[in-house]
Amino acid sequence: KAGVTQTPRYLIKTRGQQVTLSCSPISGHRSVSWYQQTPGQGLQFLFEYFSETQRNKGNFPGRFSGRQFSNSRSEMNVSTLELGDSALYLCASSERDLRNNEQFFGPGTRLTVL
Amino acid sequence: KNEVEQSPQNLTAQEGEFITINCSYSVGISALHWLQQHPGGGIVSLFMLSSGKKKHGRLIATINIQEKHSSLHITASHPRDSAVYICAAVRAGSARQLTFGSGTQLTVLP
Repeated sequence: KAGVTQTPRYLIKTRGQQVTLSCSPISGHRSVSWYQQTPGQGLQFLFEYFSETQRNKGNFPGRFSGRQFSNSRSEMNVSTLELGDSALYLCASSERDLRNNEQFFGPGTRLTVL
Repeated sequence: KNEVEQSPQNLTAQEGEFITINCSYSVGISALHWLQQHPGGGIVSLFMLSSGKKKHGRLIATINIQEKHSSLHITASHPRDSAVYICAAVRAGSARQLTFGSGTQLTVLP
C-alpha cells in the first residue's frame, strides 16, 4: 500500500496570507490527524477527522481549520498567517482510534511564514 | 508540568552500547506509542503498547501501567539508530489524539 502523502512538501508565505495543506491517507484508513511541530513547542495535536467529521480538536485558534472528504483525503487551512505559524505540519492516518491502531505519518509540509 | 515527560533529552552513545530512553506520564492512558523521527522530519511508528513488553529486532519497549512509566531499549546500538525518539500517550477516554513527550535526541558514534 502507498504511504501517507502530503502536498506540498515546502511552502513559503507572507504574514496575513492563507494556506491550504493536503493529506492523502493510506487506503482504507478513515482517521486522519494533523499535528504541528515547532522547535519550541514540539509536536502538538491540531485536529482529527473520521468519516468526514471532526471528532477532536487541539488548543489552536480558529484560524486553523480542516476538513475531510468522502475519500478520506483531508485538507487543513490556516488563515491570516502569523510568523509563529512557521512549522512542520504532519498528517497521520490510522484505521480507527489509537488504543489499538498504529498511526502512520506523512513526510510533512514545512511552512515558512515571512 | 507536561503530561508526558521524557528523559534524557539528549543521549550520545558509542556503537554497540545498550541504550535506554524513559517516558513517564501523569494522566491515565489507554496506550502508549513510541515514534522515531529522522532528520528531515519523517516519523515512523516503532511500537504501540498498553501493557507488558514488545520486541522488534534490536528494539524493546516496556510499559508499567501502575507506575505510569515506559522505556525504550536499543540493544547493540548502531549509528543508523541516530534519530529523535518520541513517546506519545493516548489518554484514557480520548483515543483519538496523541499527547507527545518532548523527544530524546540520540546520537550513536561509530
